[in-house]
Amino acid sequence: TQLLEQSPQFLSIQEGENLTVYCNSSSVFSSLQWYRQEPGEGPVLLVTVVTGGEVKKLKRLTFQFGDARKDSSLHITAAQPGDTGLYLCAGLILKTSGSRLTFGEGTQLTVNP
Amino acid sequence: DTEVTQTPKHLVMGMTNKKSLKCEQHMGHRAMYWYKQKAKKPPELMFVYSYEKLSINESVPSRFSPECPNSSLLNLHLHALQPEDSALYLCASSHPFRQGSYNEQFFGPGTRLTVL
Repeated sequence: TQLLEQSPQFLSIQEGENLTVYCNSSSVFSSLQWYRQEPGEGPVLLVTVVTGGEVKKLKRLTFQFGDARKDSSLHITAAQPGDTGLYLCAGLILKTSGSRLTFGEGTQLTVNP
Repeated sequence: DTEVTQTPKHLVMGMTNKKSLKCEQHMGHRAMYWYKQKAKKPPELMFVYSYEKLSINESVPSRFSPECPNSSLLNLHLHALQPEDSALYLCASSHPFRQGSYNEQFFGPGTRLTVL
């Protein structure tokens, strides 16, 4: 059972379009992180959200954490070819037995010029 | 500085070889991680070290042997690997996870491993 459902899995759009990626779970997260990864490279941390209802903006990217801290979204405005990559959400549940990030399956975004 | 470095960038090895992957960070993080990632899939956790002690082993085969010589370094020793072990191996580091913290985890660029 996938703890963190990420959608869509694949997205191909034209330059200038807007898009939203979703991460949903039935579990409550202490924090949630969004990463972007290019082929053959490691994931690069974009943002961390920790407070329910929190909204963070990073240039054309807007990140939202659900009020109940179970879901998150990433919205990109006026996408550019440089936004192409694999977007990963990762949630953290703190456990005394060992805490670890749980990753969504990823969204492969292609922005065509 | 939020940099995690990994060497080598690429590694090709035969099934009878012994090799090591290396990871280094200077952010003062006391938690370090090894992940394995297949193409177009999310990273899969292999090992976690917390304060230089192994705290999580996700049932990884013994042909993978982690080592944490000090708080800045993390190694992954490889021996008698199989072709299906070919993947991108990622190192990451963070402050130990705790309530109320941002708990941010930073990844290195990875080592692309090919087992022939």
